[in-house]
Amino acid sequence: DIVMTQSPDSLAVSLGERATINCKSSQSVLYSSSNKNYLAWYQQKVGQPPKLLIYWASTRESGVPDRFSGSGSGTDFTLTISSLQAEDVAVYYCQQYVDTPYTFGQGTNLEIK
Amino acid sequence: QVQLHQWGAGLLKPSETLSLTCAVYGGSFSGYYWTWIRQPPGKGLEWVGDLHHSGSTRYNPSLESRVTISMNTAKNQFSLKVTSVTAADTAVYYCARTGCDSSGYCGWFDPWGLGAPVIVSS
Repeated sequence: DIVMTQSPDSLAVSLGERATINCKSSQSVLYSSSNKNYLAWYQQKVGQPPKLLIYWASTRESGVPDRFSGSGSGTDFTLTISSLQAEDVAVYYCQQYVDTPYTFGQGTNLEIK
Repeated sequence: QVQLHQWGAGLLKPSETLSLTCAVYGGSFSGYYWTWIRQPPGKGLEWVGDLHHSGSTRYNPSLESRVTISMNTAKNQFSLKVTSVTAADTAVYYCARTGCDSSGYCGWFDPWGLGAPVIVSS
């Protein structure tokens, strides 16, 4: 199985400041035939199902605010929230879909400082 | 807009069979993978398996011997069964659609059902 490791486990950021969450995969999720990184990011608020934010590592899902952005390639990826809002308090997960079993990172708990 | 509505028994005894169903509303059942994901209390997400509308299935090897995902295309529903449950199967179980792009490459999950809590306790 591909192991996804996120850092940090927990993060506290002031309102309006930048939040950065990292995700590292145990093997590359770049699929050569499509030249795409098979990586997604989700946001999960308390008591709710996860919500898709980004797929193909950097493609923002429709309706997701543009303060959310994804970057990276191969084994190292980053989710950036450019200006933290109160409603962004949540747990964030990365997920690889280059191979089954699809696997998720352990989650990063984002709070307001 | 596709919505998923899920239901099933929430309290089981060890060795019983978990059974959940997910109904798809507002969109086509065909052409997609339909997925089950679970989340133990206070923990992260685990992919259980999926089913393509053609009938093919893929399961997480950690559960494969006990899991069956099936569908009822007439009702736009798909179901999950897990046999011989233990306390380790206690989790919120989510159904979801596996998203695909225009080239047919798939793998992210959207939308999700609201989740069905399952507790296994004697």
